[in-house]
Amino acid sequence: AQTVTQSQPEMSVQEAETVTLSCTYDTSESDYYLFWYKQPPSRQMILVIRQEAYKQQNATENRFSVNFQKAAKSFSLKISDSQLGDAAMYFCAYSPDNNNDMRFGAGTRLTVKP
Amino acid sequence: DGGITQSPKYLFRKEGQNVTLSCEQNLNHDAMYWYRQDPGQGLRLIYYSQIVNDFQKGDIAEGYSVSREKKESFPLTVTSAQKNPTAFYLCASNSLGAGRVNTEAFFGQGTRLTVV
Repeated sequence: AQTVTQSQPEMSVQEAETVTLSCTYDTSESDYYLFWYKQPPSRQMILVIRQEAYKQQNATENRFSVNFQKAAKSFSLKISDSQLGDAAMYFCAYSPDNNNDMRFGAGTRLTVKP
Repeated sequence: DGGITQSPKYLFRKEGQNVTLSCEQNLNHDAMYWYRQDPGQGLRLIYYSQIVNDFQKGDIAEGYSVSREKKESFPLTVTSAQKNPTAFYLCASNSLGAGRVNTEAFFGQGTRLTVV
């Protein structure tokens, strides 16, 4: 089975600063999809950003952007101008192209300091 | 409004009893998933289904069973064979979009199961 690794159990950032969350994955597939999800204390999972592996351009959604390195199998999330509402658990997820076997990493707990 | 609904939000089970968690979606999604979330371990895949009357085991299927008799419904039964069932359970769904682009997964609000 494909694996997703998030090596940072916890991260902290000062409000208005930038933070990068790391994610690596293991796959033999060439076509797949990568996602970052946010889970606030309510435990509702919210999609932050997605990346298709066939696209070389890194995805961007407002203050959120990714650094997708396909050869290195790396998919990091950068949060710019961090806000107090960004505090949450962040999960990296992988989904292969030809089926719906979606796998998640262990998560990174992000704290935002005022 | 379209969405995915899990019920109940909290569930208590006595040891040795089976219990079924409900998951319903009206998003017309093909695929549905069950995940278990424990502290420090993220989301672990229990079962998933890509089509009615078909499902596959995930990484931690032992002690669980599922059915997919309708596209909208994917109930999870936690059996007495599951040795440590106390956890937070999340149901999700997604679909293959146009051009076989996997869509994002939509999640229910979860069920907290406690064995007493």
